[in-house]
Amino acid sequence: AQKVTQAQTEISVVEKEDVTLDCVYETRDTTYYLFWYKQPPSGELVFLIRRNSFDEQNEISGRYSWNFQKSTSSFNFTITASQVVDSAVYFCALSDFDNNAGNMLTFGGGTRLMVKP
Amino acid sequence: EPEVTQTPSHQVTQMGQEVILRCVPISNHLYFYWYRQILGQKVEFLVSFYNNEISEKSEIFDDQFSVERPDGSNFTLKIRSTKLEDSAMYFCASIANPGGRAYNEQFFGPGTRLTVL
Repeated sequence: AQKVTQAQTEISVVEKEDVTLDCVYETRDTTYYLFWYKQPPSGELVFLIRRNSFDEQNEISGRYSWNFQKSTSSFNFTITASQVVDSAVYFCALSDFDNNAGNMLTFGGGTRLMVKP
Repeated sequence: EPEVTQTPSHQVTQMGQEVILRCVPISNHLYFYWYRQILGQKVEFLVSFYNNEISEKSEIFDDQFSVERPDGSNFTLKIRSTKLEDSAMYFCASIANPGGRAYNEQFFGPGTRLTVL
C-alpha cells in the first residue's frame, strides 16, 4: 500500500525566511509520480509540481524548489524568501505510474504554513 | 484555460437525505475522480471512473455512494442517505491520460462543501 507522511503539521515563519516542507513516501512500485499541491484558505487545490520517479533532477521554479531523493524516499519542498501569500496548507501526494485502472492520488496529511509579516 | 467545474459550491442537507454533487470535467479528459476532505484533514480518494464504469474505489466508497456520467459532460456523485460524518469538501478531478510517460496532472475542481445537519 502507498503512504505519504508529512511530519510537520504546522510551520510558522516570518516573511522573507526560507522554509522547507518535508515529505516522505512509501510505495512498492518501482516507478511512480510525486506531487505537491497548495490549498489556500479559499479551499481549492492548486497544482504546484509533478515529478517522475525515474527523474531525480531537482527543480526550481522562481522561489520554489524541490529536492527529490529516491534513496531516502523523500520529496521536500523549499520556499525561498517566503511571503504572506504563501500561507496555505501544502499537500504532498503519490500516484502509480502505469495503473490504467485508476492512478488515484494518495495524499499526505498536509503541512499548514503560516507566514507572518 | 480549461477547468473542472463543480456545483453547488456549498450544499446543506438534513441527515438521511439524498444529495447529488455535480462536476463537469475538462472536455477531452477520459478519467474522472472523486476525493473527499473532512475539515482539517487530508484529501482522501473515493472513486475513479473510466469508460462509463468504476475502475477503482476506496473503502470509504460504500453502498451509500454512487457515481454516474449521465451525459457527455456531467459526472455526478450521489450519497443516498447522508450521515453527519459525510460532512466534508468533495473534490472532482479529471485527467486525459493517467498512465505512463504521457501522464499529466489531475485537474481538480474548486470543490463542493457538504454540510449534513
